[in-house]
Amino acid sequence: KQEVTQIPAALSVPEGENLVLNCSFTDSAIYNLQWFRQDPGKGLTSLLLIQSSQREQTSGRLNASLDKSSGRSTLYIAASQPGDSATYLCAVRQDGQNFVFGPGTRLSVLP
Amino acid sequence: DADVTQTPRNRITKTGKRIMLECSQTKGHDRMYWYRQDPGLGLRLIYYSFDVKDINKGEISDGYSVSRQAQAKFSLSLESAIPNQTALYFCATSGQPSYNEQFFGPGTRLTVL
Repeated sequence: KQEVTQIPAALSVPEGENLVLNCSFTDSAIYNLQWFRQDPGKGLTSLLLIQSSQREQTSGRLNASLDKSSGRSTLYIAASQPGDSATYLCAVRQDGQNFVFGPGTRLSVLP
Repeated sequence: DADVTQTPRNRITKTGKRIMLECSQTKGHDRMYWYRQDPGLGLRLIYYSFDVKDINKGEISDGYSVSRQAQAKFSLSLESAIPNQTALYFCATSGQPSYNEQFFGPGTRLTVL
């Protein structure tokens, strides 16, 4: 059974810092991995989707990498801003299967 | 307008009551999902439907039932609500060509007293 973990559970940084969020999964036979952002009281917004054949994806200040063999993905946020404060979740999909979510990392960026 | 909508957004009810949460989507997707989110546990899959005639149990289906009334509508029911069903409930969709991504509604916060 696929299990997804995220470290750290919570993170607080001053504005302007670069930061890395981690996602680990136990079964490396994944189809893709998706990073989401969740704001309080709101649904999940897709940030980046990495296919199993890809090593990384970039969108603006966000960069997600994938190392299937080690069962890890990282989300790098450059020059963090207070508006980046949210919970970040990763989810993996195995071919033909549904998505399995991690518990999330709660990020606070202090002005 | 939002592509995936959920009603109600908030609901407080009492133990033993029957509750229905509704989800509608305008994305034209054939797959729909219901998740619950609890603090520290991430999202867990309750039920999913690959089309109107295909309903499947997820990881935590006990105490829940669903109805896929149309391609665009997927409802979740709690036949007799209990306090440990207090959670944030999300509906999601995915669609052709590759079902790679999921798109989420805003969530329903349910409190069972």
